[in-house]
Amino acid sequence: DVKVTQSSRYLVKRTGEKVFLECVQDMDHENMFWYRQDPGLGLRLIYFSYDVKMKEKGDIPEGYSVSREKKERFSLILESASTNQTSMYLCASRSAGTSYEQYFGPGTRLTVT
Amino acid sequence: AQSVSQHNHHVILSEAASLELGCNYSYGGTVNLFWYVQYPGQHLQLLLKYFSGDPLVKGIKGFEAEFIKSKFSFNLRKPSVQWSDTAEYFCAVIVKRFSGGYNKLIFGAGTRLAVHP
Repeated sequence: DVKVTQSSRYLVKRTGEKVFLECVQDMDHENMFWYRQDPGLGLRLIYFSYDVKMKEKGDIPEGYSVSREKKERFSLILESASTNQTSMYLCASRSAGTSYEQYFGPGTRLTVT
Repeated sequence: AQSVSQHNHHVILSEAASLELGCNYSYGGTVNLFWYVQYPGQHLQLLLKYFSGDPLVKGIKGFEAEFIKSKFSFNLRKPSVQWSDTAEYFCAVIVKRFSGGYNKLIFGAGTRLAVHP
């Protein structure tokens, strides 16, 4: 089974703090993704990476950056956390083949106070 | 811009009732279609998918979905729901870009289903 793990299930940070969310997958997938999930808005893509050190902006990249130094690990960085970044953050991975199926981690619920 | 619409945000059913959740997408090209489910406290997981062939797709736990190309729809159905089907359901579409570029997965807003015993 594909396993995608995220470093924290719950996180509380203060406004202005730098926040790191870590994601690790164990299936040697080329593609990795960061989404945020908000009620009534579904999942919105923040950033994705199609290979090590490669990244592309998604639909809502403002206020976020990412890092992918190793194939199995994809980090989401909030440079200066703000209250409007309070959300559930989901990491996903998939093979670069044609199945297009994404495998999701359990999510990190981030609260910025 | 491409989008996915899920008609119902909240659905409440009694056990044994039939379920149909609507999903429509706005894109005229080739699409791959998915339904994901998120049970309370659990991660998002794939329920079923359509890539090509028979437009009636069967998934896990007795769910099925029908792709109707002329209606740009991919509705999810289950003849008889159980309490354990209480979850949030997301329709998603991959828009395939043959000219290159990332094949993007677009999600609907989700439908929260509550099944009462």
